[in-house]
Amino acid sequence: GQNIDQPTEMTATEGAIVQINCTYQTSGFNGLFWYQQHAGEAPTFLSYNVLDGLEEKGRFSSFLSRSKGYSYLLLKELQMKDSASYLCAVRDSNYQLIWGAGTKLIIKP
Amino acid sequence: IAGITQAPTSQILAAGRRMTLRCTQDMRHNAMYWYRQDLGLGLRLIHYSNTAGTTGKGEVPDGYSVSRANTDDFPLTLASAVPSQTSVYFCASSDRAGDADTQYFGPGTRLTVL
Repeated sequence: GQNIDQPTEMTATEGAIVQINCTYQTSGFNGLFWYQQHAGEAPTFLSYNVLDGLEEKGRFSSFLSRSKGYSYLLLKELQMKDSASYLCAVRDSNYQLIWGAGTKLIIKP
Repeated sequence: IAGITQAPTSQILAAGRRMTLRCTQDMRHNAMYWYRQDLGLGLRLIHYSNTAGTTGKGEVPDGYSVSRANTDDFPLTLASAVPSQTSVYFCASSDRAGDADTQYFGPGTRLTVL
């Protein structure tokens, strides 16, 4: 079956750096997405990786290793507003997104 | 620009009743999707439409139907609601162009079936 694994919850301190990992086993691979979802709101797009390596976008970076079925989202200079769930999703061979259950990130002052 | 709108925002429904969740986008995106989100689970695809006039089944289609009469609207109907359909429902759209084909989400409908 298809599977996306990410930690259920993480805690970090304001101003620090946190890395959220995602491992996947899917039928085919056509890209990996990270979304941010604040409580009670819709998911919003953060990043997209289709080739191996690091994509940097401001305070957020996303890394992909296709051979290892692994990605991470790196958040730098954490702010209280970064408290949210972070969703990892992989596009499979049918061009559908398979979603992880999300990682709830708690930021402490 | 509104993006994607969904209605209603929330609804409490008696089991056995029929319910249509509405979704409208003004981005002229070709593809639209319906997901449900349940605590502890990832978003699960119910139905999708790659272009107006076509629809397809996702991972959890049973008990749901959709139609896509035009580009903008993609309603989701529960013919006879059951308590297991209690969930948050998100509509999304994408333009099916470019490599990423990023999906953009509506604000969601919180549905409770009693």
